[in-house]
Amino acid sequence: ETGVTQTPRHLVMGMTNKKSLKCEQHLGHNAMYWYKQSAKKPLELMFVYSLEERVENNSVPSRFSPECPNSSHLFLHLHTLQPEDSALYLCASSQNRGDYGYTFGSGTRLTVV
Amino acid sequence: EDKVVQSPLSLVVHEGDTVTLNCSYEVTNFRSLLWYKQEKKAPTFLFMLTSSGIEKKSGRLSSILDKKELFSILNITATQTGDSAVYLCAVPLGNSGYALNFGKGTSLLVTP
Repeated sequence: ETGVTQTPRHLVMGMTNKKSLKCEQHLGHNAMYWYKQSAKKPLELMFVYSLEERVENNSVPSRFSPECPNSSHLFLHLHTLQPEDSALYLCASSQNRGDYGYTFGSGTRLTVV
Repeated sequence: EDKVVQSPLSLVVHEGDTVTLNCSYEVTNFRSLLWYKQEKKAPTFLFMLTSSGIEKKSGRLSSILDKKELFSILNITATQTGDSAVYLCAVPLGNSGYALNFGKGTSLLVTP
């Protein structure tokens, strides 16, 4: 496997469920990101990890909980989501800062019912 | 406030046409501007621009940056149906080492 791999590709969950999104990068990068992409809106940064430490997080509701156990893996734990959380969740990685751009995964299409 | 504005938001052209996509930005401490192509899900990297007036080219795609007027353009010549995608422009946030600020994207549809 190469690049950035996200699982699952699609997820439908009820508002009371708990689920997790997984991201794995095989590029040797040291920073990983979660972005949310909703219809007709720009990509929104959720969380950034560098060398397994969270370095930034925007104002993200606590129902989203990130975890970075090592520099190759990133998780997004979801619980008691709302229908407006339905979106494409993209994981990305970069070597050092984001100035040179990211490599993105294919995303998880999340639907909250 | 840092921001990135892309225009047009959507565009429909015929195969063989040339298109120009625009990206204007406001950011403190400019470092680079990035273009991505998003076909289904994963945005894929096209260009990184750091210097004014130097054109970057890849096949039928090219891009240039104007740091004085704070904008960039992405040109696609002799468009093909495979060019249909959303094209995203992004600028690293001025006060962040990691975050990219994205525009809403230009949705391009190339018809046969």
